Amino acid sequence: EVQLLESGGGLVQPGGSLTLSCAASGFSFSNFAMTWVRQAPGKGLEWVSSVSDTGGSTYYADSVKGRFTISRDNSRNTLYLQMNSLRAEDTALYHCVKGGGAEFDYWGQGTLVTVSS
Amino acid sequence: EIVMTQSPATLSVSPGERATLSCRASQSVSSNLAWYQQKPGQAPRLLIYGASTTATGIPARFSGSGSGTQFTLTISSLRSEDFAIYYCHQYNIWPLSFGGGTKVEI
Repeated sequence: EVQLLESGGGLVQPGGSLTLSCAASGFSFSNFAMTWVRQAPGKGLEWVSSVSDTGGSTYYADSVKGRFTISRDNSRNTLYLQMNSLRAEDTALYHCVKGGGAEFDYWGQGTLVTVSS
Repeated sequence: EIVMTQSPATLSVSPGERATLSCRASQSVSSNLAWYQQKPGQAPRLLIYGASTTATGIPARFSGSGSGTQFTLTISSLRSEDFAIYYCHQYNIWPLSFGGGTKVEI
């Protein structure tokens, strides 16, 4: 059974930093691209960032480019999202998703990031 | 950037009726289009990929069609558990993008 378990969310002040993690299991993690998708409270889905299976290629939405960094550790089956210079508009539930450049076939339940003073 | 536009924003239907949801892309995405269902408090679930291929475990009443810029998700006979928000998603060109969603309500 595929499982994606996010962690690392919380309350952070504007301008602060946070690192999200996603522990993956139930599939061959190193063979698949991975993605972060976020959903602001009461809003729709927004693609944030994707990373290739090897970690060699990364992609970002314009809204986070230069502030967020996606990475992965295939030896630990873990996906990361380093978030710097956080803004109020980054407040959202962040989902870890299997896939990238293809359909998203499995989603984690998400970890909530709240940016507020 | 490809903009995905879904219509209608809200669709009011009754159980047993047919529901037709539309998704339009601002430029061609070929058949690289997926549909997701999201219920309150839950993560999205993949329904359709490749514009028309039903994902594993998805009931046959869900079907997808279209290519290029115009896509349709059809629910042939709505059941109570189908009332949810539906999103389309293009994965043809970076940056990836989602439609704004269609809420299917009673």
